[in-house]
Amino acid sequence: QVQLVQSGAELKKPGASVKVSCKASGYTFSDYYMHWVRQAPGQGLEWMGRINPNSGDTNYAQKFQGRVTMTRDTSIRTAYMELSRLRSDDTAVYYCVRVRSEYNSGSPLDYWGQGTLVTVSS
Amino acid sequence: DIQMTQSPSSLSASVGDRVTITCRASQSISSYLNWYQQRPGKAPKLLIYAASSLQSGVPSRFSGSGSGTDFTLTISSLQPEDFATYYCQQSYRNPITFGQGTRLEIK
Repeated sequence: QVQLVQSGAELKKPGASVKVSCKASGYTFSDYYMHWVRQAPGQGLEWMGRINPNSGDTNYAQKFQGRVTMTRDTSIRTAYMELSRLRSDDTAVYYCVRVRSEYNSGSPLDYWGQGTLVTVSS
Repeated sequence: DIQMTQSPSSLSASVGDRVTITCRASQSISSYLNWYQQRPGKAPKLLIYAASSLQSGVPSRFSGSGSGTDFTLTISSLQPEDFATYYCQQSYRNPITFGQGTRLEIK
């Protein structure tokens, strides 16, 4: 079965960077786009961007351009999301999400990781 | 960016009730509209995709309709496990955007 297992909670100081990992299993990793979505405490869902695990090509939300980097390591079936210059309002749960259909970046967001809480505080 | 607006923002209902949640897009998105359910402390779950297609394993009391700019999610007979927050999401154009959510509470 499809599983996405994310790295553990992080506590970071303002200005630092965080890198969250997402290890996939149960499917052909390179065939399905991976998105990253975050959710601040008590707030809604916010799309950050996506990566094509086959090519490594990325698309980022304008809001995060210049601060976010999404990468992948196909040899270990793992996607990464790194966010730099952290601020207190970056405190959120970060999710990796696999799309429903292969080779389709706009496919619905089907399989979600368990989420990684990133807390930014001095 | 395409703005997604849900109504109502919160809703109180009883077990067995029929409930409808509305989602409006700021421009036409054809049928590129998906619905998610999120229970407290859990990741969202895909319920409906392409406006009206039921995701595998989702109970048939959930249904979706609409196209263009106006969409609805209907729960025909509320069950205790349906009390959660519901989000619509457009996948028509980048950036992907979500509605603000509708919190469904027990009356």
